[in-house]
Amino acid sequence: DAGVIQSPRHEVTEMGQEVTLRCKPISGHDYLFWYRQTMMRGLELLIYFNNNVPIDDSGMPEDRFSAKMPNASFSTLKIQPSEPRDSAVYFCASSLGTGPYNEQFFGPGTRLTVL
Amino acid sequence: GNSVTQMEGPVTLSEEAFLTINCTYTATGYPSLFWYVQYPGEGLQLLLKATKADDKGSNKGFEATYRKETTSFHLEKGSVQVSDSAVYFCALSDQDMRFGAGTRLTVKP
Repeated sequence: DAGVIQSPRHEVTEMGQEVTLRCKPISGHDYLFWYRQTMMRGLELLIYFNNNVPIDDSGMPEDRFSAKMPNASFSTLKIQPSEPRDSAVYFCASSLGTGPYNEQFFGPGTRLTVL
Repeated sequence: GNSVTQMEGPVTLSEEAFLTINCTYTATGYPSLFWYVQYPGEGLQLLLKATKADDKGSNKGFEATYRKETTSFHLEKGSVQVSDSAVYFCALSDQDMRFGAGTRLTVKP
């Protein structure tokens, strides 16, 4: 069974460009999470969806970041315009339900470098 | 609110040494506790979990016991291997999942 799939695995772009990160959750999972990992801040939750609906986007750093989930099998995280401080590894995770008993399954991440 | 605090790294050990990574938590409800591991270049994956007080989670020689009286969930392994080199995250799940800052472990031959 395929796990969480993310693309691209690596992205190098120049400041000011638009960046789109993609995620396919595990089939049947109803929660999808976007995280950002940096050395300085560790693992930060950016936004999560339940049944394709954004539930909590309080972790989204600013208006340059947006996320969508048009259907149960696909989500995007977009940064426009990108800045060097956005350089990080971005993880997507999914789970079946949420709460005390629900494990999150992580994708391999997208390493973003903004020059 | 709920939070997790884990010992800062990095931790460097020789092969076959004993490992302890401390984790304490603050929670208002009755959370489950997790340890995730992140190998180089990969995403986080669940290592073990415990869903109630006094439960012991175990996997791949790692163990952690849910201690409500000390609000702790310390990770232990009796004899580490080079292949255990990774970043370890303690996490708490109640209404949402909270991760610790991560502890980098390097095991030298």
